[in-house]
Amino acid sequence: EVQLVESGGALVQPGGSLRLSCAASGFTFSDQYMDWVRQAPGKGLEWVGRIRNKHDSYTTEYAASVKDRFTISRDDSEKSLYLQMNSLKTEDTAVYYCARVWSRWNVNWGRGTLVTVSS
Amino acid sequence: DIQLTQSPSFLSASVGDRVTITCRASQGISNSLAWYQQKPGEAPNLLIYAASTLQSGVPARFSGGGSGAEFTLTISGLLPEDFATYYCQEGNIYPVTFGQGTRLEIK
Repeated sequence: EVQLVESGGALVQPGGSLRLSCAASGFTFSDQYMDWVRQAPGKGLEWVGRIRNKHDSYTTEYAASVKDRFTISRDDSEKSLYLQMNSLKTEDTAVYYCARVWSRWNVNWGRGTLVTVSS
Repeated sequence: DIQLTQSPSFLSASVGDRVTITCRASQGISNSLAWYQQKPGEAPNLLIYAASTLQSGVPARFSGGGSGAEFTLTISGLLPEDFATYYCQEGNIYPVTFGQGTRLEIK
């Protein structure tokens, strides 16, 4: 059974930093592309970014709203995905989901972790 | 960037009804579209991909159609568990985009 478990969400002040983690199991993590998707309270889904696999050189893509502030990385030996968030803004407040990419689609999702940016 | 516009944004229907949600893309995207269902407090769940292919385990009352710039999600014979929010997603062009969502509520 595929499982994705996010952690690391917290209350952080504007301008601060936070690192989210996603622990994966039940599939060959190293083969997969992985996404981060977020959802602000009461709002819709917003794609944050993607990291490709080793075969595709671990390259990344980001939404314009987070580019140059957020960095996605992975540790295939630990079956873990990370989201380093810097220069946080109040508008970054959201539940952050990690999601497995199959073909072009988000076929499995974690339960999410809440990040609140507030003074 | 691709813009996806869903209509309606809110839909009220009864158990047993047939409903259709539309997703329009700002440019042609072939069949590169998926539909997700999200219930309150839960993560989204993939229903349909490549515009019309039913994800494994998804009931056959869900169907998808369309290509190019206009797509539909149809639910035939609504059950109580179908009342949720539905999102379309374009998956081939970066940045990946979602529609704004359609909230389906019980009449």
